[in-house]
Amino acid sequence: EVELVESGGGLVQPGGSLRLSCITSGFAFSSYRMNWVRQAPGKGLEWVANINQRGDEKNYVGSVRGRFAISRDNANDSLFLQMNNLRGADTAIYYCGRPSRGFSGIEHWGQGVLVTVSS
Amino acid sequence: QSALTQPASVSGSPGQTVTISCTGNTSDIGDYDAFSWYQQHPGKAPRLIIYDVINRPSGVSVRFTASKSGNTASLTISGLQAEDEADYYCNSYTGDRTWVFGGGTKLTVL
Repeated sequence: EVELVESGGGLVQPGGSLRLSCITSGFAFSSYRMNWVRQAPGKGLEWVANINQRGDEKNYVGSVRGRFAISRDNANDSLFLQMNNLRGADTAIYYCGRPSRGFSGIEHWGQGVLVTVSS
Repeated sequence: QSALTQPASVSGSPGQTVTISCTGNTSDIGDYDAFSWYQQHPGKAPRLIIYDVINRPSGVSVRFTASKSGNTASLTISGLQAEDEADYYCNSYTGDRTWVFGGGTKLTVL
């Protein structure tokens, strides 16, 4: 069974940093691009970042580029999101996601982790 | 990249058919078939219901069908059931290695 479990969320002050982790199991992690998607309270979904299988291609939504860094550890089936210079607008539930076997779609999602940026 | 445009809400009675639209640009929906739909119940993670424009993952009801024409995609839910009441989101590749979601549509089953 595919499983994704996020951790590392919490309350942080504006300008602070957090590192999210996503531990996966049940599939060949190194064979899939991986994604982070977030959802602000009461708002819609926003794609944040993805990383290719080898970890040498990383893509970001404009609002986090230069502040967030996605990475992965294929030896330990883990995905990470380093978030720096956090802003109030970054307050959200952050989900990690594994794509489908097609060209599009995130088929498997973690339960999400809440990040709150507030003083 | 702006969010794709979805109606804020749609509604229907049990047994009816509803359609949710998603409008983008030639640079996203219009140019690529990398397009998907999600269902999200309150307090839950999203669930993929359509990928690659028209395909259903294993376990998704055949009552969910989808299509795309030009810059607009559509999700159709037939035989509406109470359990279909949820938020629905579309998602498209944008062509610059990034992805964009629609703003979401709240489906109410009357």
